[in-house]
Amino acid sequence: QPQLQESGPGLVKPSETLSLTCTVSGGSISSNNYYWGWIRQPPGKGLEWIGSIYYSGVTYYSPSLKSRVTISVDTSKNQFSLKLSSVTAADTAVYYCAHDNIGTIDYWGQGTLVTVSS
Amino acid sequence: QSVLTQPPSASGTPGQRVTISCSGSSSNIGSNIVNWYQQLPGTAPKLLIYGNNQRPSGVPDRFSDSKSGTSASLAISGLQSEDEADYYCAAWDDSLDGVVFGGGTKLTVL
Repeated sequence: QPQLQESGPGLVKPSETLSLTCTVSGGSISSNNYYWGWIRQPPGKGLEWIGSIYYSGVTYYSPSLKSRVTISVDTSKNQFSLKLSSVTAADTAVYYCAHDNIGTIDYWGQGTLVTVSS
Repeated sequence: QSVLTQPPSASGTPGQRVTISCSGSSSNIGSNIVNWYQQLPGTAPKLLIYGNNQRPSGVPDRFSDSKSGTSASLAISGLQSEDEADYYCAAWDDSLDGVVFGGGTKLTVL
């Protein structure tokens, strides 16, 4: 089973771009039929799917975040990344990377808290 | 406002059977599988039930789910104190082309 680990800054200034990377171990990110996704959870609130990517680069994004989100994959490093532009305090959340088995999120990273504040 | 609707809270005593509902629409629950996640305090969510009442290895058969039309339910029998957690339903939405979650249900074991 894959293990996933998020990394990136824990503090981002308003209007800037949030950037996170997920490193996958215990499996190839190029595995057929699997996607790799990002989900977030604001403090004390529920889960929100951000988007997913196939190793070939095909992406699906949440309509509510689509204009600000970019998910990319680096198969040579077995990593995938999230960029969220023009962040505000509402983007403060724990961000999880995950293994997406065609809509079933079956493995999750431990999550990383990103705070948007000046 | 979540696309899937869950009650914010549920409770039961040890040994009891509790159910948590999840209501959606024809574009999500009505046409796709429903997954359930358990989130213990301070931890990442864990896949609890997927597809048609399938449980990942290690999940006890006290947990089960059912689906009818555009609604689904998670049932927990023989409630234990360690079941106290937040539970989320999720499904693919054909109209939104993405995964949608319920708002979550906080289960308290009295």
